[in-house]
Amino acid sequence: QKEVEQDPGPLSVPEGAIVSLNCTYSNSAFQYFMWYRQYSRKGPELLMYTYSSGNKEDGRFTAQVDKSSKYISLFIRDSQPSDSATYLCAMSAPGGFKTIFGAGTRLFVKA
Amino acid sequence: KAGVTQTPRYLIKTRGQQVTLSCSPISGHRSVSWYQQTPGQGLQFLFEYFSETQRNKGNFPGRFSGRQFSNSRSEMNVSTLELGDSALYLCASSDRDRDNEKLFFGSGTQLSVL
Repeated sequence: QKEVEQDPGPLSVPEGAIVSLNCTYSNSAFQYFMWYRQYSRKGPELLMYTYSSGNKEDGRFTAQVDKSSKYISLFIRDSQPSDSATYLCAMSAPGGFKTIFGAGTRLFVKA
Repeated sequence: KAGVTQTPRYLIKTRGQQVTLSCSPISGHRSVSWYQQTPGQGLQFLFEYFSETQRNKGNFPGRFSGRQFSNSRSEMNVSTLELGDSALYLCASSDRDRDNEKLFFGSGTQLSVL
């Protein structure tokens, strides 16, 4: 079993839809939870960063962490064609010096 | 502030050869991590360096090695290349000495092994 599970998709939605992306994990030592966005032929870029549990909002993006269920989510409101990319969840433990990534979900937003 | 720079951008090698990839982190970042990205396996952790010391290593064979210099620049080397080593190799820098897990990635080096 992988430490981090993420459905690779692809996920196709119409412009303006609310998108929900999710990951589950097995390592209870994880305290840092991140979402990265990767466009084709580019490196991943950090989108959201959360320490421990709770919600975090940044514009159209909301990240949620539920440590009791070992489940994290990213919501995108009013999705735009420019949001079409691969979204990767990532997690790490304090002092581990290693970030583990999910497989990434390919998202297509149709105009 | 300049981002993470990786060179070369593209590389074509043949089986059995060796290759060296270079990474210059964001100024002030002392942690450099390397990842291998393939369509089937996603992002796989190779190793992490901080102040010239390897602090963690992924599950890759000994053909994969790395090092970090005093100016935080890092190189990774793959010897005796195999077809399965074809991948996008990504370098990321971080401010980890302040318990900051935010990674900043370069655009990667696309390695093709023929």
